[in-house]
Amino acid sequence: QSALTQPPSASGTPGQRVSISCSGGSSNIGSQTVNWFQQLPGMAPRLLIYNNNDRPSGVPDRFTGSKSGTSASLAISGLQSDDEANYYCATWDDSLNIMLFGGGTKLTVL
Amino acid sequence: QVTLKESGPALVKPTETLTLTCTVSGFSLNSIRMGVSWIRQPPGKALEWLAHIFSNDEISSSPFLKSRLSISKGTSKSQVVLSLTNVHPVDSGTYFCARTTRMHDILTGGYHSYDVDFWGPGTTVTVSS
Repeated sequence: QSALTQPPSASGTPGQRVSISCSGGSSNIGSQTVNWFQQLPGMAPRLLIYNNNDRPSGVPDRFTGSKSGTSASLAISGLQSDDEANYYCATWDDSLNIMLFGGGTKLTVL
Repeated sequence: QVTLKESGPALVKPTETLTLTCTVSGFSLNSIRMGVSWIRQPPGKALEWLAHIFSNDEISSSPFLKSRLSISKGTSKSQVVLSLTNVHPVDSGTYFCARTTRMHDILTGGYHSYDVDFWGPGTTVTVSS
């Protein structure tokens, strides 16, 4: 069902910067804002980024979001072991009138 | 403090109806910008949005489940109820409710900037005979 495409996996070593992409279309990412979520094993997702690049209070500034055209990205700098989690992008689709989630990216900290 | 909590049966038989309740606190379901979404996650798989309801009772739901899915506000002003009829084993997974906010565009009358900002802990449902 995912109309938002994410790479299934990403990895990095502690201290590195990693980036996760999210590709969509003109009726979703191209015209709406993007959320990014972090999901630790066995936990509910947590909002990391809203409005493409804003962080809720309590989210470290190591997490940054960006959007260009019909794609969005989440960058994590100063990678830490507890960043190991699944990351999801999401946005509204104007044509389908539904919320879309990406397929998720499993981040491994080597 | 915004909180949401899902409740409902842990085990449902195939062909039965699954009914889940989301109880919220710390925000009002009557607020024009705020609503509640239901999202599920099969074991080991990705998140799947199911439906949402907003203060004006505006509802959107997944076209893949539309004929089996209904969402409504409960008898309590702080509850949202999700019903899924004729369940199958593929409907097993963790079901989350989450607060969803949006911005109203006065010029167009439409909405934008949907944010799913607070989540409940989830409730695990198994469909099995």
